[in-house]
Amino acid sequence: SQQGEEDPQALSIQEGENATMNCSYKTSINNLQWYRQNSGRGLVHLILIRSNEREKHSGRLRVTLDTSKKSSSLLITASRAADTASYFCATDGGYGNKLVFGAGTILRVKS
Amino acid sequence: DAGVIQSPRHEVTEMGQEVTLRCKPISGHDYLFWYRQTMMRGLELLIYFNNNVPIDDSGMPEDRFSAKMPNASFSTLKIQPSEPRDSAVYFCASSFGDYNEQFFGPGTRLTVL
Repeated sequence: SQQGEEDPQALSIQEGENATMNCSYKTSINNLQWYRQNSGRGLVHLILIRSNEREKHSGRLRVTLDTSKKSSSLLITASRAADTASYFCATDGGYGNKLVFGAGTILRVKS
Repeated sequence: DAGVIQSPRHEVTEMGQEVTLRCKPISGHDYLFWYRQTMMRGLELLIYFNNNVPIDDSGMPEDRFSAKMPNASFSTLKIQPSEPRDSAVYFCASSFGDYNEQFFGPGTRLTVL
């Protein structure tokens, strides 16, 4: 079963708008990671947030983590057409290096 | 810096044939992971190694699947015999240290006819 579940399943926005994706998980974690996958390619790591962190930034990305609600959100600001991809959250479920991926959010940014 | 290298990139085979997928992790990384991605089941972890030793193979679907890591720079995932339901994209990933980001290879798209 999947540890992380993303919401929404699909998101379509205009270039320049912000995109927010959410992830919920079930068990305690050491960290939560977000990855991007362009069509037909491998996954690319975006950001890692540890269980004792609440917010993290990287460029146009902002990730929050609420361990009490077992949820995380990924915000992409000022989206670009090149941000079109699938976005996955992954959690370790407390088992360290064994990541469990959610089903992903498909983001489409229209130019 | 070369990333994770996988070969072949595409493999088409007939049911019953043996398939071997190969992976070269990033130099210096001590963890190696094999994943399978399908539309129905998403991205699933099959097995992972730490310092060339298999740590968790609970995701390997059945005995037809086997994985080896004879040294720090090479791993194989073998399917024998292959079946149409094994058709998927297989990814290899590597990482360094505990609880860190994983670097994925480009994947091998396997089609079993």
